[in-house]
Amino acid sequence: EPEVTQTPSHQVTQMGQEVILRCVPISNHLYFYWYRQILGQKVEFLVSFYNNEISEKSEIFDDQFSVERPDGSNFTLKIRSTKLEDSAMYFCASKTSGGAGETQYFGPGTRLLVL
Amino acid sequence: AQTVTQSQPEMSVQEAETVTLSCTYDTSESDYYLFWYKQPPSRQMILVIRQEAYKQQNATENRFSVNFQKAAKSFSLKISDSQLGDAAMYFCAYVNYGGSQGNLIFGKGTKLSVKP
Repeated sequence: EPEVTQTPSHQVTQMGQEVILRCVPISNHLYFYWYRQILGQKVEFLVSFYNNEISEKSEIFDDQFSVERPDGSNFTLKIRSTKLEDSAMYFCASKTSGGAGETQYFGPGTRLLVL
Repeated sequence: AQTVTQSQPEMSVQEAETVTLSCTYDTSESDYYLFWYKQPPSRQMILVIRQEAYKQQNATENRFSVNFQKAAKSFSLKISDSQLGDAAMYFCAYVNYGGSQGNLIFGKGTKLSVKP
């Protein structure tokens, strides 16, 4: 069964450094998402992406964040200058259509630690 | 703004027994979806069950069923005949029917342990 994959599984970085988190959504999916979960807190929506542009973003998704679909398969989240509070688990998700009830398929996550 | 609350950080159940995980939510919308997602250790979150708010009948998927109380804004998950493989984090999630393209609002999760 097709799965969403994410790389790396863990990343440690120094504050102020740029990081790129990578996701490969399921191949026929058209809608893409990033969520994050700070340890002990809720999973929070960051951004949704469709037709090569951002559909919606949360207040968390400020100018330090960007997303890109550089080719037909990868979907990336870039954090330009990481802060300590960016330490979290980052989940990518994808789905086939824009229907609200459509199942989102999640990747296993990337655990980001900012020192 | 919509919120989802899971008041049980951890639950435990004996194998073959039944357990109920609680979830409440707050919304002023009338049309929405509710979900339960399961996240086994070091694995992807997978959808367990989905409920459409306009359907009065509670959703069921094999051993998993929900008790959806729209007026009370409650959406609990019942797992019958619990198995060792049910051990996981369980997340309750909400999405509005219209407007956004399905950005999920999650609860904090409940960690379920299954004792042999």
